[in-house]
Amino acid sequence: GAGVSQTPSNKVTEKGKYVELRCDPISGHTALYWYRQSLGQGPEFLIYFQGTGAADDSGLPNDRFFAVRPEGSVSTLKIQRTERGDSAVYLCASSLTGQLNTEAFFGQGTRLTVV
Amino acid sequence: GQQLNQSPQSMFIQEGEDVSMNCTSSSIFNTWLWYKQDPGEGPVLLIALYKAGELTSNGRLTAQFGITRKDSFLNISASIPSDVGIYFCAGRIQGAQKLVFGQGTRLTINP
Repeated sequence: GAGVSQTPSNKVTEKGKYVELRCDPISGHTALYWYRQSLGQGPEFLIYFQGTGAADDSGLPNDRFFAVRPEGSVSTLKIQRTERGDSAVYLCASSLTGQLNTEAFFGQGTRLTVV
Repeated sequence: GQQLNQSPQSMFIQEGEDVSMNCTSSSIFNTWLWYKQDPGEGPVLLIALYKAGELTSNGRLTAQFGITRKDSFLNISASIPSDVGIYFCAGRIQGAQKLVFGQGTRLTINP
C-alpha cells in the first residue's frame, strides 16, 4: 500500500484479555517503530525494529508488552493481561533505512479501549 | 528520561493571524521535528531540523533549531482553516532512533 497500515483501527477488549495489534509498514522500509499515545498527550516511544530485530525496546512499559517482526516487514504488538491503563492509541511508523535524517511515516493508529 | 515542554497548550486565533509555538528541553537534541496531527490520524511531518541555528521554511511554516540545541519554535503565517489541529514538537538525541514528543499545541481558528 501507499502508507503505513494498522489494523484494527479500533479494538475494545475486556480487562485481563490478550490483544494483538498489527502494522504493515511502507514497502521496502527496514525500520519500524511503535509508539503509544494517551489522550491529550504526545506519542511515547515503545520499541524500534531494524529489520527483524528489536534494536531498542527501552520504551516497553513492562513484560506484558511484546512485539515481533519475524520477516522484517509486518509487525505485531502483543499485550497480555490487558489493564484499563493500557487504553490508548497505538501508533506504528516506518522509515526507509533507520539511518539518521530519514524520518518516519506514521500510520493512523489503533485505538485500544480496555473495559 | 528526556522531556519536552511545549507551549502554549492551546491557541484560539482568528483566520489570517500568525501563530507561534515553541518547545524547550533540559536535554540537548540533535534533531528537532514538527508534526501536525488531525483527529483519528497519525502525526504528519511538517519540518525537520538537523543543525543548531538552522531556520527552515515549508510554505507558510517556519521553524528554527535553537542555538543551545535545547529549544525550537514553529511559526505559521496567515493562518487558514485547514491549519486547525494539534501540533507536536519532537526531538531525537545523538545516536538514538526514538523520538521524544512534546505534549502538543491545539490550534483552533475562528473564521
